[in-house]
Amino acid sequence: EPEVTQTPSHQVTQMGQEVILRCVPISNHLYFYWYRQILGQKVEFLVSFYNNEISEKSEIFDDQFSVERPDGSNFTLKIRSTKLEDSAMYFCASLDGMNTEAFFGQGTRLTVV
Amino acid sequence: AQKVTQAQTEISVVEKEDVTLDCVYETRDTTYYLFWYKQPPSGELVFLIRRNSFDEQNEISGRYSWNFQKSTSSFNFTITASQVVDSAVYFCALSENNAGNMLTFGGGTRLMVKP
Repeated sequence: EPEVTQTPSHQVTQMGQEVILRCVPISNHLYFYWYRQILGQKVEFLVSFYNNEISEKSEIFDDQFSVERPDGSNFTLKIRSTKLEDSAMYFCASLDGMNTEAFFGQGTRLTVV
Repeated sequence: AQKVTQAQTEISVVEKEDVTLDCVYETRDTTYYLFWYKQPPSGELVFLIRRNSFDEQNEISGRYSWNFQKSTSSFNFTITASQVVDSAVYFCALSENNAGNMLTFGGGTRLMVKP
């Protein structure tokens, strides 16, 4: 069964460093998302991406964040200068069409120290 | 603005008991979609069900059943004869038709099933 793959599963980084979280969505999917879950809290929407551009973003997704689909298969989330409060589980999701179910990756746990 | 409320933060039951997880939502859209996801201790999000706002039929899948009531804006989830493997955090989520499939999640309910 096709699945969304995220790497790495866990990343530890020092405050102020840049990190790139990688996702490989399901191959025929058209809509891509990043969500964040701070430990013990709810899952929060960060950004959606369609047709090679951001379609929606939340207040969390400030200038420190960016997304890219560099090669037609990977979908990346970059945090330019990490802060302690960026520590969270980051989930990538993809959909094949409007209003279908979102397939989530297994998540990347980011720890900023 | 859309909002999902899961009032029960934590529920503890003994194996074989039935348990209902509550979900109440708010939306101004007439077309929307409701979801339940399971997050086991390993952390991934597992899709359980998707329902559109025009389909109020209750659904049963094995030990799982869902009760959608537009009149009370609720989409409750019942596990019959719970098992230890059902222990997880369960999230209810809402997607509005005009919001580009963005999911708004509730705060989650942690279900602990004891042997």
